[in-house]
Amino acid sequence: ETVLTQSPATLSVSPGERATLSCRASQSVRTYLAWFQQKPGQAPRLLIHDTSIRAPGIADRFSGSGSGTEFTLTISSLQAEDFAVYYCEQYNYWPARTFGQGTKVEIK
Amino acid sequence: QLQLQESGPGLVKPSETLSLTCTVSRGSITVGAYYWGWIRQPPGKGLEYIASIYQTGNSHYSPSLMSRVTISIDTSKNQFSLNVYSVTAADTAVYYCTRDNLYWGQGTLVTVSS
Repeated sequence: ETVLTQSPATLSVSPGERATLSCRASQSVRTYLAWFQQKPGQAPRLLIHDTSIRAPGIADRFSGSGSGTEFTLTISSLQAEDFAVYYCEQYNYWPARTFGQGTKVEIK
Repeated sequence: QLQLQESGPGLVKPSETLSLTCTVSRGSITVGAYYWGWIRQPPGKGLEYIASIYQTGNSHYSPSLMSRVTISIDTSKNQFSLNVYSVTAADTAVYYCTRDNLYWGQGTLVTVSS
């Protein structure tokens, strides 16, 4: 099973600043990686799929990059509504999938 | 826009079976080539994939849960279901039904307790 490790566990950022979140896979997942945002009491929301493709309705301040085992989610200028927990997910052998443990983005 | 809604008991006793149903509305479960699945999240913890099923009934399970889980689909009712057998407190979680990664139900909390 492919293990995803997200870093950091918590990221403290001021509004308007850039946030960079990392996700490392224990083996190559090619580009089959997604990012989700989850706010308290809500279901996860798909932000990015296939490493870099934004889901419908997702703001262009969210961008994804990487391939193989190293991936990054960048939020170019944090807005108040972006403070949440972010999960990466690999689906190299869909429908099998695994998730990272999450990165909490909090207000600095 | 497609909608998914989980239903089932909120409290299950240890060693019993947890049964959940996901009802799909504003769309057909048989249209398109999609896997319908279940993901859970223990309180305060991360997301865990459980199982998926295709409209033909072809299913896939997480290796860590496959010995205790079954997933099924009822296309006549536009529903799919999950059974988790011999539950323990570790099965306490919010259970989400999903279609691909894009559509999620609101989630339902299931507590395992006597």
